[in-house]
Amino acid sequence: GAVVSQHPSRVICKSGTSVKIECRSLDFQATTMFWYRQFPKQSLMLMATSNEGSKATYEQGVEKDKFLINHASLTLSTLTVTSAHPEDSSFYICSAREGGLGAGYTFGSGTRLTVV
Amino acid sequence: DAKTTQPTSMDCAEGRAANLPCNHSTISGNEYVYWYRQIHSQGPQYIIHGLKNNETNEMASLIITEDRKSSTLILPHATLRDTAVYYCIVSPYSGGGADGLTFGKGTHLIIQP
Repeated sequence: GAVVSQHPSRVICKSGTSVKIECRSLDFQATTMFWYRQFPKQSLMLMATSNEGSKATYEQGVEKDKFLINHASLTLSTLTVTSAHPEDSSFYICSAREGGLGAGYTFGSGTRLTVV
Repeated sequence: DAKTTQPTSMDCAEGRAANLPCNHSTISGNEYVYWYRQIHSQGPQYIIHGLKNNETNEMASLIITEDRKSSTLILPHATLRDTAVYYCIVSPYSGGGADGLTFGKGTHLIIQP
């Protein structure tokens, strides 16, 4: 089945620094990938839709200048959390969908970001 | 996206069938019912999805009522590893995959030994 690889699985960074998270579709091409955020004891919230070769679409309330998304190829999307602050500490998850009827969404294993 | 309603939590004995209900009374004609589960600190795992017919795969069965206003996910022989939060989501199928999913609170299924 479709596999989405996400890296790193955990990262700790200092306040004010930037962190990049990678999301790769390993055995299929994904023109669209999605980024979610999940705070403790809460559900996943869609942050943005990453479109290959064009600008990402952000959900209401998500700062596009803070969460930079780049989808430079059909198998790679990156999320960069810029000038991270402790309130950005969260579980970030990407997903992609292999096209065609009957395709579900495949999720990465997530990245636990802790900003100290 | 249409809203779904699920019980907050459920218990099931190991080896028994786990039946997880979902209400989606405002579902539209072009919306599919998706089920995912999330084990603690992992990404969600796809289980099954359907439009109006019942579906079965190696993981589970999905029973959708004729009026499509509710559905039930059935794990036929629950194991301890099935303990997770189960999300029922309705979403329109888009051939280009342009729509993200809207997650509700889900059902925390606890399998008891």
